[in-house]
Amino acid sequence: DTAVSQTPKYLVTQMGNDKSIKCEQNLGHDTMYWYKQDSKKFLKIMFSYNNKELIINETVPNRFSPKSPDKAHLNLHINSLELGDSAVYFCASTRGTDTQETQYFGPGTRLLVL
Amino acid sequence: RKEVEQDPGPFNVPEGATVAFNCTYSNSASQSFFWYRQDCRKEPKLLMSVYSSGNEDGRFTAQLNRASQYISLLIRDSKLSDSATYLCVVILPPKGNMLTFGGGTRLMVKP
Repeated sequence: DTAVSQTPKYLVTQMGNDKSIKCEQNLGHDTMYWYKQDSKKFLKIMFSYNNKELIINETVPNRFSPKSPDKAHLNLHINSLELGDSAVYFCASTRGTDTQETQYFGPGTRLLVL
Repeated sequence: RKEVEQDPGPFNVPEGATVAFNCTYSNSASQSFFWYRQDCRKEPKLLMSVYSSGNEDGRFTAQLNRASQYISLLIRDSKLSDSATYLCVVILPPKGNMLTFGGGTRLMVKP
């Protein structure tokens, strides 16, 4: 059973398009995250949601809009895709917001913008 | 200066060797520290938390030096399966449980 799943696994699209990535966790966790890992392998936090409420937004462009329909799902919609958006996007979850909690990552979505 | 810095490597070591990685962090108020492991084209996974007194988990030992603002990971008796990228992770106040990652150190263990 997959704890944190993401769809799609791969996404190839043209510049200017709008696309969505979905994330689901079956761990019963309250907090979910989106991270971006660029071509240089740096992982950076983008957003964090706790019980469907946004708690962290790390100066991500407005073209990125997360949506959490319930606490088990956190989707990421990207408008007007740019070449620089090409990266691997990881979803993660934790039970709560305690700093010592283990974050469980999804397998990643590899986005390539042409 | 980056918030969390690591030597990217790669570290090429023979099986059975002992290898150590260091990581420095810039914010002295940092609260929590971890080592994550990331295999090629896979997601990061928690290897171990790093406690002030240092801690050990089998062949892995993590140390924290708050005065010098660095953490270390020591791997004894390296196995081929230890080949991966090791990510130093810090929680920077006041960012709650938001992880800040170093760029990773790549380890390759050869037969």
